[in-house]
Amino acid sequence: SQTIHQWPATLVQPVGSPLSLECTVEGTSNPNLYWYRQAAGRGLQLLFYSVGIGQISSEVPQNLSASRPQDRQFILSSKKLLLSDSGFYLCAWSVPYDAKYKAEAFFGQGTRLTVV
Amino acid sequence: AQKVTQAQTEISVVEKEDVTLDCVYETRDTTYYLFWYKQPPSGELVFLIRRNSFDEQNEISGRYSWNFQKSTSSFNFTITASQVVDSAVYFCALSEANRGSTLGRLYFGRGTQLTVWP
Repeated sequence: SQTIHQWPATLVQPVGSPLSLECTVEGTSNPNLYWYRQAAGRGLQLLFYSVGIGQISSEVPQNLSASRPQDRQFILSSKKLLLSDSGFYLCAWSVPYDAKYKAEAFFGQGTRLTVV
Repeated sequence: AQKVTQAQTEISVVEKEDVTLDCVYETRDTTYYLFWYKQPPSGELVFLIRRNSFDEQNEISGRYSWNFQKSTSSFNFTITASQVVDSAVYFCALSEANRGSTLGRLYFGRGTQLTVWP
């Protein structure tokens, strides 16, 4: 069965420090991968998605970047965090072409980031 | 462009009351999927239901029911006899179905905070 791991669960970082959040998927090959952010106020916003190794699409301009060094690994990074980067970050995966899962996305447990 | 609107920001009810969460969507796709997710205070997203655009049958699962009406682009969610454990943020979401590269990309509404008081 497929599983998705996301870590760390919580993180408190000072302004200006770097960030690295990691997400890995097991049990599937060539998944579509996604990073979502939920800022205060609850809305879930897509930040990045990837359809393959090294292929990253950004949905919104921001202080963050994403990388996909391996097929089932997705990393969210920042060189210098801003206060506005605080939020709840969710990684997700989906099957690129699917008959069984019907476009469903599967979410990790999330990382709660507080920039101080 | 795809868009999901959940006009209700917060709803408070007393236990055992019925409550309906509204969801209105916009898409130009003829084939799409609609979802409801629950987000308890712990933060994870819990999948509740998926509906494809060709299936307008309403669905009932225990105390939960969903009313999909393509004519009004709505996919409303009703909780019958609400319980304190139903307190959470509920998200409605839309996914494109015909674009392999972004299949699974979800467009979320802003969510509705449901509070059920004992």
